[in-house]
Amino acid sequence: GAGVSQSPSNKVTEKGKDVELRCDPISGHTALYWYRQSLGQGLEFLIYFQGNSAPDKSGLPSDRFSAERTGGSVSTLTIQRTQQEDSAVYLCASSSMTQAGGYTFGSGTRLTVV
Amino acid sequence: SQQGEEDPQALSIQEGENATMNCSYKTSINNLQWYRQNSGRGLVHLILIRSNEREKHSGRLRVTLDTSKKSSSLLITASRAADTASYFCATDRTGANNLFFGTGTRLTVIP
Repeated sequence: GAGVSQSPSNKVTEKGKDVELRCDPISGHTALYWYRQSLGQGLEFLIYFQGNSAPDKSGLPSDRFSAERTGGSVSTLTIQRTQQEDSAVYLCASSSMTQAGGYTFGSGTRLTVV
Repeated sequence: SQQGEEDPQALSIQEGENATMNCSYKTSINNLQWYRQNSGRGLVHLILIRSNEREKHSGRLRVTLDTSKKSSSLLITASRAADTASYFCATDRTGANNLFFGTGTRLTVIP
């Protein structure tokens, strides 16, 4: 597609439930990133995928968080047993190998855990 | 902290004035980028400056980079109400896989 697409745009879930967030990157972009942003804060890196290489999971805050990228395209971020502190905007971005143009971000998923 | 820091945290100016935002960082970088964010949603890439560059222009934007001081500045000239947004710097650190974002400057341009 023309841009990075994320779904859902908003998600309200009960504490303890699992959620899945989806990201569809720009076609041909080999790199995909997940970040999260708490209210009024900067972006916190979560995970990075590059082609067929093993993902860099160094930013995942706990083992309740996991992500996969199927076929080098669509990515899903899963949060198990959600907690209130997981409430944030989850942003996905993609980029080409050269990163000459920087990252292209999706509009994010606003997750609210009640 | 893994993040860079922008200052000021918030800036309010009149339409037509220039806005200057600063960013400091701590490690060796390949490049530094500035992004804009409206309404807490997706960020838009504005400009990238490489570590061997000192100044770059794009339209009403001017970015400087001083690697000896590990700092950068973003100047928006002749500001417009539509420039109201949060602005983030992001560093592409040597040896890292991802960009590290600062905490942002909230710019308000008053019509």
